[in-house]
Formats: sequence, C-alpha cells, structure tokens
Amino acid sequence: GAGVSQTPSNKVTEKGKYVELRCDPISGHTALYWYRQSLGQGPEFLIYFQGTGAADDSGLPNDRFFAVRPEGSVSTLKIQRTERGDSAVYLCASSLRGTFTDTQYFGPGTRLTVL
Amino acid sequence: AQSVTQLGSHVSVSEGALVLLRCNYSSSVPPYLFWYVQYPNQGLQLLLKYTSAATLVKGINGFEAEFKKSETSFHLTKPSAHMSDAAEYFCAVSVNAGGTSYGKLTFGQGTILTVHP
Repeated sequence: GAGVSQTPSNKVTEKGKYVELRCDPISGHTALYWYRQSLGQGPEFLIYFQGTGAADDSGLPNDRFFAVRPEGSVSTLKIQRTERGDSAVYLCASSLRGTFTDTQYFGPGTRLTVL
Repeated sequence: AQSVTQLGSHVSVSEGALVLLRCNYSSSVPPYLFWYVQYPNQGLQLLLKYTSAATLVKGINGFEAEFKKSETSFHLTKPSAHMSDAAEYFCAVSVNAGGTSYGKLTFGQGTILTVHP
C-alpha cells in the first residue's frame, strides 16, 4: 500500500516568508509525528498528533512553528517568519496507534532551505 | 530524560566483513529501542526493534541487535557486509514516562556505513 508522503520534496524560501509543509500519513494510522533533521544530526521530535489533537507539542522550537491535523489524516506544519536556522529536512511519520512499541513509518521528508 | 549515543559517525568495512554499529542509551525507565536505516533521498526505514521480549532481536536484511541492560547498549551487527548496506543508520529510544509522550523517538546522531569492494 501507499506509504507516508510529503510535499513538497524541496522548498526554497526567503528569510521572513511563511511556509507550509504537508504530510499524508498511511491510511488508518491514528498517530502522526513531525521531526526535524538538521545536517549531520539525527531527527529531533517536534510534535505528536493522536487523531485531530496535538497530544505533545513540546518539541516545537518557538511560536513561529504550528501544526494542524483538522480531520485526523493529513497534517500541515506551518512556519511563520522563517529564519535561516530553520533550514533542515522536515520528516513526518505515522503509526497505527501511537504506542511506545508501534513502528513509525517515515516519509521521504521536505528539505527546507531559507535564504 | 532519555538520550542515545552512537559511537562513530563513520564506519568503513570491506564487503563480506562483520558490521558493528554501536549504540548506548540513557534512560531512567525501561526503554524500547529501535534501529532505522536511511538510504540517500529516502525516508527512514525500520530495521528492527526491542520491545522487552527477547533480548536478541533479528531484523531485515540479515541485521540483528542485542539489548544489554547492564551495558545500556543496543549494538547493531551483521555477519557479512554487502555493498547494498551502505547507508546511514540511526539508533532511537522510546520510553513510557507517563504523560502524553506516546512513542516519541529520541534519535542518536547517526552512523554512516561505507562498504568497500
């Protein structure tokens, strides 16, 4: 079946602009995660959704970052007033139930470059 | 808070040689441990996971890992490397610390594996 998809695959923007990154999880997966991977680093947790609600947003770096999942499926990560330090690969993952042992299935990521 | 340390950002082996990628974790509660592989321009793919059942875990592509609580380690091994194993490997931990941190993964910094012919 279809895996996790993310669009766009690449996004180049200018400092100060607003961007939206989209994630389509595996159908039927209730849990959705966003991670950020900077160059040479492992992914870092940003936010976790269980259904439509953000159950844990403790990884969002500041209030310029916001994410939604209005119908419990597709999620959008929104970044306002982008900064050069926001440049990274943004990864989305989904799992069936969101338990500690569930396998998380990752999308290919969106590479964000802020000039 | 939990953490993961992967010793060696780059590992190079010859084709047919043993692969050993090291992972140590820190956690105040029993951990669940994962190894993921990332091929260029692809998403992370699960290799194997430890979920408190057998301490020796077998995964895909001939990889296995052993959970050693006394050493707080979860090293990844493969008896004979293949050219197609060249990729970046990430160790990750998830803990049941209460609250709403369900399944949140904490990753190590990754190890790039190079396989020489």
